[in-house]
Amino acid sequence: VQLVQSGAEVKKPGASVKVSCKASGYIFSNYAMHWVRQAPGQRLEWMGWIDADNGKTKYSQTFQGRVTFTRDRSASTVYMEVGSLRSEDTAVYYCARDFSGYDLDCFDPWGQGTLLTVSS
Amino acid sequence: QSVLTQPPSVSGAPGQRVTISCIGSNSNIGAGYNVYWYRQLPGTPPKLLIYHNSLRPSGVPDRISGSNSGTSASLAITGLQAEDEADYYCQSFDISLSASVFGGGTKLTVL
Repeated sequence: VQLVQSGAEVKKPGASVKVSCKASGYIFSNYAMHWVRQAPGQRLEWMGWIDADNGKTKYSQTFQGRVTFTRDRSASTVYMEVGSLRSEDTAVYYCARDFSGYDLDCFDPWGQGTLLTVSS
Repeated sequence: QSVLTQPPSVSGAPGQRVTISCIGSNSNIGAGYNVYWYRQLPGTPPKLLIYHNSLRPSGVPDRISGSNSGTSASLAITGLQAEDEADYYCQSFDISLSASVFGGGTKLTVL
């Protein structure tokens, strides 16, 4: 099982970014995918999840309205788009597969992470 | 603010036993939601060590164990090894936030 994320991004405040996470080694539709971010020196922060089968999403209240998760079943890939970027969004963003499928409780494995830097 | 509170650091000598606490509240651990533990080495993503409070995924040695009681949980590592030096995070679900939440992380130093 492997999750491979897109490369590092540098964006200006107010811009948007789209990060991809390509899954392999398992049946894509059988597992939810979560997104977690880690700002420099900060705790891990759960952002939400997407149902890889039907595309249903659930967002943390912190990110509701500013983050969008999508998926492409044919490419076994999920995407995370964040809009209206601000400097506080500078962080490493991880995709992480639901451990059990759709229990929506814990996360493993994780992608390698995508560093997003927001700076003017 | 911390929904789940962990000590910033713990340390131990090789071969010793260390424990890492995770203090929650009645809206997460105390409400009966499971606790999970992750290990993160520098520059790498977290890896699941414990799920459902005390179960180990395949490949995690039995010298690593988890427990919980009331509104708190603990991770114990016995027979400490140099490779255990890492950051450790607890995680649970918080019903008031309707979100998965993490502790602030604990840096384990092997002396």
